[in-house]
Amino acid sequence: EVQLVQSGAEVKKPGESLKISCKGSGYSFTNYWIGWVRQMPGKGLEWMGIIYPGDSDTRYSPSFQGRVTISADKSIRTAYLQWSSLRASDTAMYFCARPMYSGYIGYSYGMDVWGQGTTVTVSS
Amino acid sequence: QSALTQPPSVSGSPGQSVTISCTGTSSDIGSYTRVSWYQQPPGTAPKLIIYEVSNRPSGVPDRFSGSKSGNTASLTISGLQAEDEADYYCSSFKTSTTPVVFGGGTRLTVL
Repeated sequence: EVQLVQSGAEVKKPGESLKISCKGSGYSFTNYWIGWVRQMPGKGLEWMGIIYPGDSDTRYSPSFQGRVTISADKSIRTAYLQWSSLRASDTAMYFCARPMYSGYIGYSYGMDVWGQGTTVTVSS
Repeated sequence: QSALTQPPSVSGSPGQSVTISCTGTSSDIGSYTRVSWYQQPPGTAPKLIIYEVSNRPSGVPDRFSGSKSGNTASLTISGLQAEDEADYYCSSFKTSTTPVVFGGGTRLTVL
């Protein structure tokens, strides 16, 4: 079964760092992009960025460039989303997702496999 | 403000049809067929229901259909059922550096 399993909920204070994960299984991890999507409480989906684990090519939405870092460790089939200094406005659910097509062109197509989501709460 | 514009809400009675619009620009929806639609019931992860404008993944009922005209894509749900009540999001390819943009989402209420 193809699936993405994300790390558990996090509660952090402003200014702290955080790295959440997304582990892929059941498919060729290095041949599919993995994207990250933010959903703030009661709000819509926001595309944050995407990484190709095969060569770590990474693209960011301008809204998130410089605020987060997306990385991947293909040896353990895991993608990451990290912050160096959290803000209260980072409080949200974060989903990882995989496009339906493999290969380099896949990043622009629909995402048919989603993780269960990781809730991040930032509060003093 | 989202890159793609959707109505905040639509509603319909069981058995009726509803259409949700998604308006972009000539730089995204107007130029590409890489338009997708997602369904998100409360408290769950999004689910892909339409890809490449009008194609349904395996398992998605044919009550769901997609189309595109100019800079606007549309999702039509026919024969509404109570289980269709959810938020619906469109997305489109934009550029190679920022490949994906989402709409703001539309809440469907089945009366």
